[in-house]
Amino acid sequence: GAVVSQHPSRVICKSGTSVKIECRSLDFQATTMFWYRQFPKQSLMLMATSNEGSKATYEQGVEKDKFLINHASLTLSTLTVTSAHPEDSSFYICSASPGSNQPQHFGDGTRLSIL
Amino acid sequence: QQPVQSPQAVILREGEDAVINCSSSKALYSVHWYRQKHGEAPVFLMILLKGGEQKGHEKISASFNEKKQQSSLYLTASQLSYSGTYFCGTEYTGANNLFFGTGTRLTVIP
Repeated sequence: GAVVSQHPSRVICKSGTSVKIECRSLDFQATTMFWYRQFPKQSLMLMATSNEGSKATYEQGVEKDKFLINHASLTLSTLTVTSAHPEDSSFYICSASPGSNQPQHFGDGTRLSIL
Repeated sequence: QQPVQSPQAVILREGEDAVINCSSSKALYSVHWYRQKHGEAPVFLMILLKGGEQKGHEKISASFNEKKQQSSLYLTASQLSYSGTYFCGTEYTGANNLFFGTGTRLTVIP
C-alpha cells in the first residue's frame, strides 16, 4: 500500500529556533501534499496545500512567512516553522494521495514542543 | 468549512452497533472516513465519491447523501480495536484537499 514517511517524529527546541519537517511519499509520486496541524483532542486543521514546482496554497489565517513550504520533487515536501515560539507547539501531520479520488495517506506526524 | 460530526463521543460494549454522522454546510465532492488512535496518524477507512454511494469495509460501512450534504459511518458488532476518534474528511472541489470534521470519540469496552 501507499506509504508516507514523516521525519522527525519529535522535536523539542528553544524559542526562536527554526524547525524543518520532511514528508516523503515512498512508493508513489504526489504532485500535491497537504500539511495539517492538530491540537490535543481536536480535529486536524488544514494549513496548506503543497504543490510540486510551485508555491504552496495556504488556508486562511495561516502565516505563509511563518510556515514555509517547499515541494522540491514529486516525493518530498518540507515544512519549516520559522522562529518558532511556544504557541507553535503542536502535532503537525502531512498527507499525500496517489491521485484524484484516491485516499489520503498520512505520515506518522511530528510532535513539536517549543520551550 | 469544517463539517460537524455527531455524536461527539460514544461508549459501546463489545458487539454493539454505532452510527456516526457528518454534516456539511457546503456541497460535497467526496467524503473520506478515518480513524485515529491516540498519538498516531489517521488511518484511512473508506472514501465515498457519489451521492447515495455506500461502501463497506469488514463490519464498517458508510453512506453518502449528496442532497443532504451528509455522510454516515456504520459500525456493527463493535470490537475493542474499533476504539479511537473517527473523523470525516470532506472534499469540496475535487482538488483532493480535505477538511476534517469535529471528530467522534468512540470507546468500546468489554
